[in-house]
Amino acid sequence: NAGVTQTPKFQVLKTGQSMTLQCAQDMNHNSMYWYRQDPGMGLRLIYYSASEGTTDKGEVPNGYNVSRLNKREFSLRLESAAPSQTSVYFCASSDHPSGSDNEQFFGPGTRLTVL
Amino acid sequence: GEDVEQSLFLSVREGDSSVINCTYTDSSSTYLYWYKQEPGAGLQLLTYIFSNMDMKQDQRLTVLLNKKDKHLSLRIADTQTGDSAIYFCAGRSGGSYIPTFGRGTSLIVHP
Repeated sequence: NAGVTQTPKFQVLKTGQSMTLQCAQDMNHNSMYWYRQDPGMGLRLIYYSASEGTTDKGEVPNGYNVSRLNKREFSLRLESAAPSQTSVYFCASSDHPSGSDNEQFFGPGTRLTVL
Repeated sequence: GEDVEQSLFLSVREGDSSVINCTYTDSSSTYLYWYKQEPGAGLQLLTYIFSNMDMKQDQRLTVLLNKKDKHLSLRIADTQTGDSAIYFCAGRSGGSYIPTFGRGTSLIVHP
């Protein structure tokens, strides 16, 4: 099992460019998440998908859109990149059965720089 | 919602014990987690504790939970250089399956 995979690993964009970050999981998990990690800020939730066909905003959704393409894949799109979106982006997944510990499994991250 | 606070840095000597502390605000938190992030990698769950427990031990790791003070700690015995990483505390409130993460504590282990 590959777990959670993310592409690309690194990306440099110019202000105003668009791009899509891809995420896939092979654990048959129901829930998927996108976080951003900034120095001293910890992890902040951008969007999540509780199950296939649903998406919801997290703490910092502005400037982003998501698509839950199927149960395996959850993509994050930046329509018009801004320097404030320079960050490390992590995708995660979890099984989300009720009453469980709901461990999240994380991908290796995408390091994005917006110039 | 939940707010989770932890100190940003901890430096210890190899072989000593490390104690990483965390406080949270939501008394209805059901699960409290410790995740580890090694350089250049994603987070990985180290251990978690359910709110009806006071302590959990797993090999070199000991988690202590003080519900009255809303304080969580992670003790690593016989700390090794391979334990150098960022450690995130996270809490999950009752009714939500999404954890709130602290800012992370960078543990530096020196010889």
